[in-house]
Amino acid sequence: NAGVTQTPKFQVLKTGQSMTLQCAQDMNHEYMSWYRQDPGMGLRLIHYSVGAGITDQGEVPNGYNVSRSTTEDFPLRLLSAAPSQTSVYFCASSTPGSGANVLTFGAGSRLTVL
Amino acid sequence: KQEVTQIPAALSVPEGENLVLNCSFTDSAIYNLQWFRQDPGKGLTSLLLIQSSQREQTSGRLNASLDKSSGRSTLYIAASQPGDSATYLCARSGTYKYIFGTGTRLKVLA
Repeated sequence: NAGVTQTPKFQVLKTGQSMTLQCAQDMNHEYMSWYRQDPGMGLRLIHYSVGAGITDQGEVPNGYNVSRSTTEDFPLRLLSAAPSQTSVYFCASSTPGSGANVLTFGAGSRLTVL
Repeated sequence: KQEVTQIPAALSVPEGENLVLNCSFTDSAIYNLQWFRQDPGKGLTSLLLIQSSQREQTSGRLNASLDKSSGRSTLYIAASQPGDSATYLCARSGTYKYIFGTGTRLKVLA
C-alpha cells in the first residue's frame, strides 16, 4: 500500500497565484486532514474531513479551501498565495473510532511564496 | 483552548542514557494520545498510540504512558542511541481532531 501520497513535494509561487496541493490515501480512511508546520509553531490544523462530502475548519483555515468528493482524495487549494503561507504542508488520515486509530502522514509539501 | 505542551523543547544526552520526554494537555476528555518521530526535512512517523482506556504502550526500547487525570503522557526511551536523534511530537485527539505539541528535539551523542 502507498499510504498517504502528497504532490507536489516542492513548489514556488508568486504572491497572488493559486495552486492545489494534492493528497490521496489508499487505506479507506474516513478522516483526512491538512496541517502546516512552521518553525517554533508545531503542526497546526488547517482543515479536516470526516468523510466524503463533509469538511470543517481547523485552527488556521483562512486563505485555504478544501473539498472531499471521494474517500481517497482531499485536495488543499490556496486561493491567492501570500508570503505568510510559506510553510511545509502535511496531509494525514486515520479511521476514528477503531482500535487502530493511527494518524498516518504523507511526506509533506514544501511551499515557498515569493 | 485545548493545548498540548512538551517539555523539554530540546535535549542533548550521551549515548546509552535512559530518557523521559514529557507531554501535557489541558483537556482530559481525550480519545487517543499518539507519539510521533520526525527526522529533519521528513514527515512524521507514528511510534506509539495509547487509547484513552489504556495506561501504556510499549514498542522495543520505547514505552509511553498516559495519565488522563493529571493530563500527562510520558515517552520513555531506554538505552538511547545516536539513531534516536530526531524531534518527538505528541498529539492528543478528540473524536476527530488532533492537537499537536511543539515537540522535543533530541540529540544523542556518540
